Amino acid sequence: GENVEQHPSTLSVQEGDSAVIKCTYSDSASNYFPWYKQELGKRPQLIIDIRSNVGEKKDQRIAVTLNKTAKHFSLHITETQPEDSAVYFCAAAPWGNTPLVFGKGTRLSVIA
Amino acid sequence: NAGVTQTPKFQVLKTGQSMTLQCAQDMNHNSMYWYRQDPGMGLRLIYYSASEGTTDKGEVPNGYNVSRLNKREFSLRLESAAPSQTSVYFCASSDPGTVPYFGPGTRLTVT
Repeated sequence: GENVEQHPSTLSVQEGDSAVIKCTYSDSASNYFPWYKQELGKRPQLIIDIRSNVGEKKDQRIAVTLNKTAKHFSLHITETQPEDSAVYFCAAAPWGNTPLVFGKGTRLSVIA
Repeated sequence: NAGVTQTPKFQVLKTGQSMTLQCAQDMNHNSMYWYRQDPGMGLRLIYYSASEGTTDKGEVPNGYNVSRLNKREFSLRLESAAPSQTSVYFCASSDPGTVPYFGPGTRLTVT
């Protein structure tokens, strides 16, 4: 089955700097890659996703890139703000009803 | 619309006790999931139901049973709770073409 590795497990950045979180996956059949943000005590919430027919997707300060050949995808957050501090999870799955497989998460701290 | 609701929000059990975690969604989704979240382990799939009337094991099904009661409701049962089942449990639902939407979670402690 699918296996998703996520790095780093913790990341501290100064406010205004960029943050990058990287994930690799093992199943070449996976073609859907969402990213979730989880604030302390809250549910995971989708922030951005990408499908395999697209190499990059951007939404304001966040972007995701996908390299299907290398089986890795990354989350980029620019101009970080304190409210970006949270745990971020990547996930992968073939699209449809197949359940998502999640990475172990990255705890991002943005220092003001 | 409430989205995905879970009850209870918090629960403390003694080892060996049983309980059922309830989940309901009002988005008319076909698929529902149960995940557990432990520190440093991410979200791991316990069971899922691709459609009403079907259930399948996920990565960590041991010690749990599920029931897809109808299209809206998907319950998770712990028959004999163990300290290793202390965790935060999230229910989620989705359809093909939609992203899984998570409930608020149930924080379970087994002593």
